[in-house]
Amino acid sequence: AQKVTQAQTEISVVEKEDVTLDCVYETRDTTYYLFWYKQPPSGELVFLIRRNSFDEQNEISGRYSWNFQKSTSSFNFTITASQVVDSAVYFCALSLFTGANSKLTFGKGITLSVRP
Amino acid sequence: GAGVSQSPSNKVTEKGKDVELRCDPISGHTALYWYRQSLGQGLEFLIYFQGNSAPDKSGLPSDRFSAERTGGSVSTLTIQRTQQEDSAVYLCASSSTGYQPQHFGDGTRLSIL
Repeated sequence: AQKVTQAQTEISVVEKEDVTLDCVYETRDTTYYLFWYKQPPSGELVFLIRRNSFDEQNEISGRYSWNFQKSTSSFNFTITASQVVDSAVYFCALSLFTGANSKLTFGKGITLSVRP
Repeated sequence: GAGVSQSPSNKVTEKGKDVELRCDPISGHTALYWYRQSLGQGLEFLIYFQGNSAPDKSGLPSDRFSAERTGGSVSTLTIQRTQQEDSAVYLCASSSTGYQPQHFGDGTRLSIL
């Protein structure tokens, strides 16, 4: 079975601070995808990024960056120079490559509050 | 529409009643998923459709829950004889194939009195 652990439950920062959201996963499969989703107060889950298990390259998209390390089974997400609009719940998730069923196993989520 | 559409957005019903939740996926998306989000359990997978068939129903919590998909498009999740523990936000997601990222609707907030 798959498991995703987001040990941090709530993080509060002041605007312009950098913040890292941690994600640790467990799976016996060697081929899988990892995801981050954002859930703002409006409620809709917004897809941010997907990485596959073959590609450990870090990725940067504007103020967002992701660090994937298979050696520690971690897929951490950093927001640089945080803004109030980044306030949301962030979910890390995992799916397997098996067939076409890419059902997601989610972590419990991290509530990020960015104060002005 | 451009995104996944779910209706109703909110549903309040009495314990013991049946409810139907609807999901209209993004046009052309063959894969459709239902999830449930509750305070105690987080986000849980319920059922997966590929076209009109449901090869994975492993997340349905009891036989009171069922779902169908018609025309490879709209899906309905039905909960019979609702219980208070069914109170949650029910989320629908679709993807163009099973290997592509899932796009979520706004959800249906179900409250059982």
